[in-house]
Amino acid sequence: AQSVTQPDIHITVSEGASLELRCNYSYGATPYLFWYVQSPGQGLQLLLKYFSGDTLVQGIKGFEAEFKRSQSSFNLRKPSVHWSDAAEYFCAVTDMEYGNKLVFGAGTILRVKS
Amino acid sequence: NAGVTQTPKFRVLKTGQSMTLLCAQDMNHEYMYWYRQDPGMGLRLIHYSVGEGTTAKGEVPDGYNVSRLKKQNFLLGLESAAPSQTSVYFCASSYSRQVGTRNNEQFFGPGTRLTVL
Repeated sequence: AQSVTQPDIHITVSEGASLELRCNYSYGATPYLFWYVQSPGQGLQLLLKYFSGDTLVQGIKGFEAEFKRSQSSFNLRKPSVHWSDAAEYFCAVTDMEYGNKLVFGAGTILRVKS
Repeated sequence: NAGVTQTPKFRVLKTGQSMTLLCAQDMNHEYMYWYRQDPGMGLRLIHYSVGEGTTAKGEVPDGYNVSRLKKQNFLLGLESAAPSQTSVYFCASSYSRQVGTRNNEQFFGPGTRLTVL
């Protein structure tokens, strides 16, 4: 079965520092990968997605992610974190065999210290 | 366009009570989903639908029923609520994969926070 692992439950970074959130997936075919962000009490907002082509994907709010097939990874990065980036981040992969359902990782909570 | 809307936003139930959560989308999407979100577990799929009149079980379907009588609506029912169903429920919708792989992004509603006492 498809699965997504986000190894870091919590990450704390200083404002202005760089950020990398890790995501590893298990999927037999070419994966469709997503990163979502959720602010407290809010719904999920799509940051970026990978379907095919260029393995470096640009998203909203200055985020990018790199798909590495050899490592089964899709890590999210941002060169300079802002206090407003504090939120929970979810990596997900599409399961094309079950109505395109999304299989989510457990999430990484990002704290930004000033 | 309103996108995906969910009603109600909050609800408190007593054990054994029933309720229905309503999800509506105005994007003409074929596929609709119900997820539940619990701390440390991400989102897990309860049920989904690939078209009007169809439903299918997801990862955690027990204790829930769904109906898709109209393409734009997807209802989630709890017949006899239990404290284990305390969660935040999210509805989502997407085009089918047949429309084109770049269109299978899921759009999420704002969520319903349900507490069962």
